[in-house]
Amino acid sequence: DAGITQSPRHKVTETGTPVTLRCHQTENHRYMYWYRQDPGHGLRLIHYSYGVKDTDKGEVSDGYSVSRSKTEDFLLTLESATSSQTSVYFCAISGFAGGFEKLFFGSGTQLSVL
Amino acid sequence: DQQVKQNSPSLSVQEGRISILNCDYTNSMFDYFLWYKKYPAEGPTFLISISSIKDKNEDGRFTVFLNKSAKHLSLHIVPSQPGDSAVYFCAAAIIQGAQKLVFGQGTRLTINP
Repeated sequence: DAGITQSPRHKVTETGTPVTLRCHQTENHRYMYWYRQDPGHGLRLIHYSYGVKDTDKGEVSDGYSVSRSKTEDFLLTLESATSSQTSVYFCAISGFAGGFEKLFFGSGTQLSVL
Repeated sequence: DQQVKQNSPSLSVQEGRISILNCDYTNSMFDYFLWYKKYPAEGPTFLISISSIKDKNEDGRFTVFLNKSAKHLSLHIVPSQPGDSAVYFCAAAIIQGAQKLVFGQGTRLTINP
């Protein structure tokens, strides 16, 4: 395993509540990403980080925020969860620019918003 | 707008035969392409890649072909094995751009014994 852990693995929450998903790595990799996987859409990038406190938006960033206060942790927050945010969320890490072959994914978090 | 498209949601192939998975893209700026494989309850894992300066890359039973003029790539698996049953994602990137991959919708491959 690439030393990447997502928590929680499963979460059920109610519409309007805040939710935070955590991605923790032990590889000291610079790049970290949050993707969501939905049927018919594949994997879509939400946000990514290229260093501590350096983040940027992906293609589906509305309704999500991220924080990276230390190299090993990348947090994804849904400020007020909606049913459209029910999805499987994957964190990924990469050690260097262009290193897509070395893009390692976590096992995912299944989030259900009721 | 889907920049990377996999138009076949599923594919069923007999064990030992060739599996061909297809992918189309619309952004001519993409210069690097990859295939990822995903088993249930796991994250995707890298399978094979190709740069836009090549038209073919081979790794064991897996070969990726790139047709830049048609903006099309394909993954060939020969011979197909039961362990190849998984969801396959095509992905594309601009190497000198932001470090972002754009994925297709995925194709579920089932290898029948």
